[in-house]
Amino acid sequence: GEDVEQSLFLSVREGDSSVINCTYTDSSSTYLYWYKQEPGAGLQLLTYIFSNMDMKQDQRLTVLLNKKDKHLSLRIADTQTGDSAIYFCAERAGGGNKLTFGTGTQLKVEL
Amino acid sequence: DAGVIQSPRHEVTEMGQEVTLRCKPISGHNSLFWYRQTMMRGLELLIYFNNNVPIDDSGMPEDRFSAKMPNASFSTLKIQPSEPRDSAVYFCASSFTGVNTEAFFGQGTRLTVV
Repeated sequence: GEDVEQSLFLSVREGDSSVINCTYTDSSSTYLYWYKQEPGAGLQLLTYIFSNMDMKQDQRLTVLLNKKDKHLSLRIADTQTGDSAIYFCAERAGGGNKLTFGTGTQLKVEL
Repeated sequence: DAGVIQSPRHEVTEMGQEVTLRCKPISGHNSLFWYRQTMMRGLELLIYFNNNVPIDDSGMPEDRFSAKMPNASFSTLKIQPSEPRDSAVYFCASSFTGVNTEAFFGQGTRLTVV
């Protein structure tokens, strides 16, 4: 079955890079996603990567995928206080429509 | 489009009462998901529908939980009877059905059962 794991907390200083890690178990994952949840709000899609890619860059965001180790990471360059939120990784397995989410990583950005 | 609309935003109820959460998906989306978020368990998929038909309800915790989607623009999640351990934020999300489609989330209903 699907299982997605993340560390619960990360604290960084403004201007530093943040790296949020995620591991998953389902080798049939086709797409992997990063969602952001701000306080009191729902989740919003940040970026995604197809399983045959190993890197994707989108402005300050860099996604790295190690398919052999089933490890996904999200790097946020020049982290700002507005980046403080909970970040979820999610996988979509096979051809299905079901998304399995990790537990979420709470990112705190300090001045 | 106003996005996925959930109501109510907050619900406080007494143990044993029936609770009904409502969701209006984005017009044209044909997949709808109900998630529950708690500190202990994170974000759990409860059930999802394709074209108004329940596809996977393996995440529904107990028979006290039921979900319906009578038409493409409305879904309900009902808890009867409610218990304090049901306290959580319940999210509804919708998407097109496809290989890689973005799921759009509502703002959630914060349920407190006392």
